[in-house]
Amino acid sequence: IQLTQSPSTLSASVGDRVTITCRASQSMSDWLAWYQQQPGKAPKLLIYRASTLESGVPSRFSGSGSGTDFTLTISSLQPDDSATYYCQHYNGFPLTFGGGTKVEIK
Amino acid sequence: EVQLVESGGGLVQAGGSLRLSCAASGFTFSKYWMHWVRQAPGEGLVWVARINSDGRSSTYLDSVRGRFTISRDNAKNTLHLQVNSLRAEDSAVYYCARETTMTVSYFMDVWGKGTTVTVSS
Repeated sequence: IQLTQSPSTLSASVGDRVTITCRASQSMSDWLAWYQQQPGKAPKLLIYRASTLESGVPSRFSGSGSGTDFTLTISSLQPDDSATYYCQHYNGFPLTFGGGTKVEIK
Repeated sequence: EVQLVESGGGLVQAGGSLRLSCAASGFTFSKYWMHWVRQAPGEGLVWVARINSDGRSSTYLDSVRGRFTISRDNAKNTLHLQVNSLRAEDSAVYYCARETTMTVSYFMDVWGKGTTVTVSS
């Protein structure tokens, strides 16, 4: 399964609503996770099963979608959200990640 | 505190070998399936390999199968990745990651900080 994220880069202001899209090359139910990777750090799990928030992750993050189209939304962008975001399918092996979306703060 | 700490990376010539390690602490290591994921400089994440909790079953990315071997020592709470016949395209930060315990859910809920492998040609 190939995952295509868009956009590859986005620039937004603090408080903005931000949406990232992940499109799969074939249907995969809701077996999708989202990760955040801040510069120089390891990835951090944000969301699994397409829409379930990992414990401790701020509620401004949300996920939706099923089948082939998924979205990650940040309802009110904060300075600490400056990072690259990756989707990952777990519909079988090999596991694959999207190409990433870099979120910059204006 | 749940923690994964990788080690063993370094500079190696093409065709060479390294043994990467990942020390786990703060959780019952022997109950978890584990993964290696790599990230080339400036690039995205690529899943490499996975091993089951008792070490008897493993799965690999096609491009590394036969060159890389994932293993574990549950008595020492340590995960390993033996990387042989290294190529320039294997240069990356290698992360070890813990798989969630949720049934049939192959996503990673804890990650280490990574160890860097650089292959010179």
